[in-house]
Amino acid sequence: EPEVTQTPSHQVTQMGQEVILRCVPISNHLYFYWYRQILGQKVEFLVSFYNNEISEKSEIFDDQFSVERPDGSNFTLKIRSTKLEDSAMYFCANRQSSYNEQFFGPGTRLTVL
Amino acid sequence: AQKVTQAQTEISVVEKEDVTLDCVYETRDTTYYLFWYKQPPSGELVFLIRRNSFDEQNEISGRYSWNFQKSTSSFNFTITASQVVDSAVYFCALPLLDDYKLSFGAGTTVTVRA
Repeated sequence: EPEVTQTPSHQVTQMGQEVILRCVPISNHLYFYWYRQILGQKVEFLVSFYNNEISEKSEIFDDQFSVERPDGSNFTLKIRSTKLEDSAMYFCANRQSSYNEQFFGPGTRLTVL
Repeated sequence: AQKVTQAQTEISVVEKEDVTLDCVYETRDTTYYLFWYKQPPSGELVFLIRRNSFDEQNEISGRYSWNFQKSTSSFNFTITASQVVDSAVYFCALPLLDDYKLSFGAGTTVTVRA
């Protein structure tokens, strides 16, 4: 069964450093999302991406964040200058068409020191 | 407002007991979907079920069952004869049009004790 993969599973970084979180979506899926979950809290939407551009972004997704699909397969989330409050689990998700459920990757746990 | 409310923060049961998780939603859309996801201690989000607003028939899948009632804006989830492996956080989610980004409830932590 096809699945979404994310790398790394855990990233530790110093405040102010740049991080790139990577996702390989299911191959025939067209809609891509990033969500985050601060420890013990609910899952929050960050950004959606379709047809090589951002569809929608939340207020969390400020200028420090960016997304891209550099090679048509990987889907990346970059945080330019990490802050302590960026520490969270980051989930990539994707779906095939308008009416299908979203499938989530296993997540990347980001720890900012 | 478009949101999902899971009022139960934690539920603890003994193995073989049934457990029902409540989900109440608000949406301005006439056509909508609702999802349930499971997050086990390992952290991943596992899709459990999708239900659309046209179909109010209850659904059963093994020990899982779902009760969708538009009149009360609820989409409740029952685990019958719970097992230790059911211990997880369960999230109800509402896809928001047009983008279908998911609005999650706060989650209910289920602990099943042997």
